[in-house]
Amino acid sequence: DAGITQSPRHKVTETGTPVTLRCHQTENHRYMYWYRQDPGHGLRLIHYSYGVKDTDKGEVSDGYSVSRSKTEDFLLTLESATSSQTSVYFCAISETNQPQHFGDGTRLSIL
Amino acid sequence: AQTVTQSQPEMSVQEAETVTLSCTYDTSENNYYLFWYKQPPSRQMILVIRQEAYKQQNATENRFSVNFQKAAKSFSLKISDSQLGDTAMYFCAFMKHVWTSGTYKYIFGTGTRLKVLA
Repeated sequence: DAGITQSPRHKVTETGTPVTLRCHQTENHRYMYWYRQDPGHGLRLIHYSYGVKDTDKGEVSDGYSVSRSKTEDFLLTLESATSSQTSVYFCAISETNQPQHFGDGTRLSIL
Repeated sequence: AQTVTQSQPEMSVQEAETVTLSCTYDTSENNYYLFWYKQPPSRQMILVIRQEAYKQQNATENRFSVNFQKAAKSFSLKISDSQLGDTAMYFCAFMKHVWTSGTYKYIFGTGTRLKVLA
């Protein structure tokens, strides 16, 4: 299995607080992605990275920011969490034209 | 814009039987890749099978095979000899290279929930 670790695995927080999710890989893959999974929507891309400090927006990027200061780490930040951001968040990695490999997901609940 | 459609939100199959999950996609590209992922209740996303669009031969992985119809833009997954452990959500995914940015774009369908009955 691809070495991808997401932390935390579960988090409950309050509306208006900042939240940071971490994705750590040991595969030295160039591409990293953040998705959210919601019933009826499948996986939707939030942000992705194609190298250190190289990131771009996905289809549902509003309210989220990312950073990648090292190849192995990709952080997703909710600046001021809202209830609509309650979801399961997945990190994925890939290399060139290979399929994505996913982390185990983070269940985030915003009350 | 590319889209991926899975028209069967839920399906069920008897253990040891065969089931086919449907997936259609829309693209103007000629070179791309297609995947099926499995998500069991444990929430992990597991790659089941992949297909390169330039290959005419349908991919096979043990009990899993695909029927890839490029002209019809159809990519169905057949599971033979279904097992209880096949119970999961199945996602179809499309991937292409974005030449202008040098990145890869993935689009996922909304999933089909498969239940294997004992």
